[in-house]
Amino acid sequence: EAAVTQSPRNKVAVTGGKVTLSCNQTNNHNNMYWYRQDTGHGLRLIHYSYGAGSTEKGDIPDGYKASRPSQENFSLILELATPSQTSVYFCASGDPGTANSDYTFGSGTRLLVI
Amino acid sequence: GDSVIQMQGQVTLSENDFLFINCTYSTTGYPTLFWYVQYSGEGPQLLLQVTTANNKGSSRGFEATYDKGTTSFHLQKTSVQEIDSAVYYCAMIASSGSWQLIFGSGTQLTVMP
Repeated sequence: EAAVTQSPRNKVAVTGGKVTLSCNQTNNHNNMYWYRQDTGHGLRLIHYSYGAGSTEKGDIPDGYKASRPSQENFSLILELATPSQTSVYFCASGDPGTANSDYTFGSGTRLLVI
Repeated sequence: GDSVIQMQGQVTLSENDFLFINCTYSTTGYPTLFWYVQYSGEGPQLLLQVTTANNKGSSRGFEATYDKGTTSFHLQKTSVQEIDSAVYYCAMIASSGSWQLIFGSGTQLTVMP
């Protein structure tokens, strides 16, 4: 079954440390997305990608980098983690503009920065 | 710019009550509209899609109708059950060409037995 898998499921990081969140999709979708979810804000887009080698800034990219080394993998990188980046992060894949244009989400990564 | 507005942060109902969640959007062109549902501990999953071609979407007893005049696509269900308790998000694919899926702020639905 096609899926989006995120790792780790939970992460505790120290302020100033580097954090990498990983996402793998077996949907063969071109587009992949990273969102963060906070109470009162819903899901906000951080970075997205149109395909291998491509990364684009979303609505709240500051403090985050992204990497898309292949069709299947899309990583979110926090070079210098801060407590304000404590959140739940979701990865998604999708092919908008096609007949089946919904997005498939992973189960999320809960990040705590102390 | 593109935006999606959900005003109801929390809704509490009893089983068999009628559900109505309000959602409005702002964009140019003809958007693709969705309702997603998120159960505790899981990622959002597609509930239904509304296209401008047919103006309606339905799934699992839920229905949404797109109204271009009022730029709305409200979610409704005639008779909710306890298992419907979840967070519901309206969402829109931006018409700007970036293919961003823009979410509303979500509505926490609690259905009491």
